[in-house]
Amino acid sequence: GESVGLHLPTLSVQEGDNSIINCAYSNSASDYFIWYKQESGKGPQFIIDIRSNMDKRQGQRVTVLLNKTVKHLSLQIAATQPGDSAVYFCAEIRNRYSTLTFGKGTMLLVSP
Amino acid sequence: EAGVTQFPSHSVIEKGQTVTLRCDPISGHDNLYWYRRVMGKEIKFLLHFVKESKQDESGMPNNRFLAERTGGTYSTLKVQPAELEDSGVYFCASSFGLAGGIGELFFGEGSRLTVL
Repeated sequence: GESVGLHLPTLSVQEGDNSIINCAYSNSASDYFIWYKQESGKGPQFIIDIRSNMDKRQGQRVTVLLNKTVKHLSLQIAATQPGDSAVYFCAEIRNRYSTLTFGKGTMLLVSP
Repeated sequence: EAGVTQFPSHSVIEKGQTVTLRCDPISGHDNLYWYRRVMGKEIKFLLHFVKESKQDESGMPNNRFLAERTGGTYSTLKVQPAELEDSGVYFCASSFGLAGGIGELFFGEGSRLTVL
């Protein structure tokens, strides 16, 4: 499959730790943000989303935090598991008629 | 229900040759998007179809790339002639509503293109 991790920032954690993946976005007018997970050989999969009028949203084991003041988005994964190993991308949608703009991606490596 | 399917999963061609990638979106999804990820970099938008019409092709790198969606069903992306810098993974995604209107995008597994 694709070597998804070359040249990417990498976060290495132990199984059971909490992981925090960060993303800076570019457009202060963006309305909606999404985190995607891409495993090797697969396409991006939706994890969690957040609208610009919120600053926090929780899912199962994942939490997204949005700081519009500094244009920063983070993804927190609780009790990280080896199956969480993948490249994580943040994406922003600027308005109703635009498409997704992806960030650079972070590789998460989880060791047992 | 079948997801977004892409073919081929991997293609290896020589510089100057032609390659055609195919995407079958989820049935009923009017919106179809092509994205590309060059090795180790971010995923970049190429173009967006609404049914058979090109809604936005601002991400197409140059005129060596031609995308079609005849009949508003499957789409093809042809690269002719291929150059070394075209190597990467080409993702297709589809959605029922507009992505910007928060229509969830479903991605295929990608077609990996290697140009030698």
